[in-house]
Amino acid sequence: GAGVSQSPRYKVAKRGQDVALRCDPISGHVSLFWYQQALGQGPEFLTYFQNEAQLDKSGLPSDRFFAERPEGSVSTLKIQRTQQEDSAVYLCASSPLHRGQGGYTFGSGTRLTVV
Amino acid sequence: QKEVEQNSGPLSVPEGAIASLNCTYSDRGSQSFFWYRQYSGKSPELIMFIYSNGDKEDGRFTAQLNKASQYVSLLIRDSQPSDSATYLCAVEGGTSYGKLTFGQGTILTVHP
Repeated sequence: GAGVSQSPRYKVAKRGQDVALRCDPISGHVSLFWYQQALGQGPEFLTYFQNEAQLDKSGLPSDRFFAERPEGSVSTLKIQRTQQEDSAVYLCASSPLHRGQGGYTFGSGTRLTVV
Repeated sequence: QKEVEQNSGPLSVPEGAIASLNCTYSDRGSQSFFWYRQYSGKSPELIMFIYSNGDKEDGRFTAQLNKASQYVSLLIRDSQPSDSATYLCAVEGGTSYGKLTFGQGTILTVHP
């Protein structure tokens, strides 16, 4: 597609529910990144894929967070047993380069609200 | 100390003025520097990147980098109300190798 596509656009989850957020990067982009953005803050790094390999997951806040990109294109961020502090916008970004050196293109994000 | 810090703002300038946005970073190994603009409720969009010391100009925007002082700035000339947004500084390289580390953002308001 022309841009990075994320779905759903909005998600309301009850505390304790599992959620899955999808990211469809720009076709052919090698690198894919997930970020979490709380209200009034800058995006915080969660994890990074180069093709299907997860090269850095140092930003995942707990073992409730899991990301995958099994075929090197679409990625899914899964959050198990959601908590209120997980409420944020989850941004996906992709880059044609093997790292973020050239900057990257963000999707529209998924706004997760945990009630 | 945060890895990337921006002047807290909010910054308010009149239409037609120069807006100056500042950013400092703590990792001397940082190699690439970016400015993103984020409108309310939207995702960040890349407006400038700079790798070398000095100035880089693109239309009304000028990015300035001083690696010795670990300082990056963005100047917006002839500011327009449509420039009103949050501006995010980001760095890559060093401990942020392969990924961008963002500052908290500065809110800019350009009033007519």
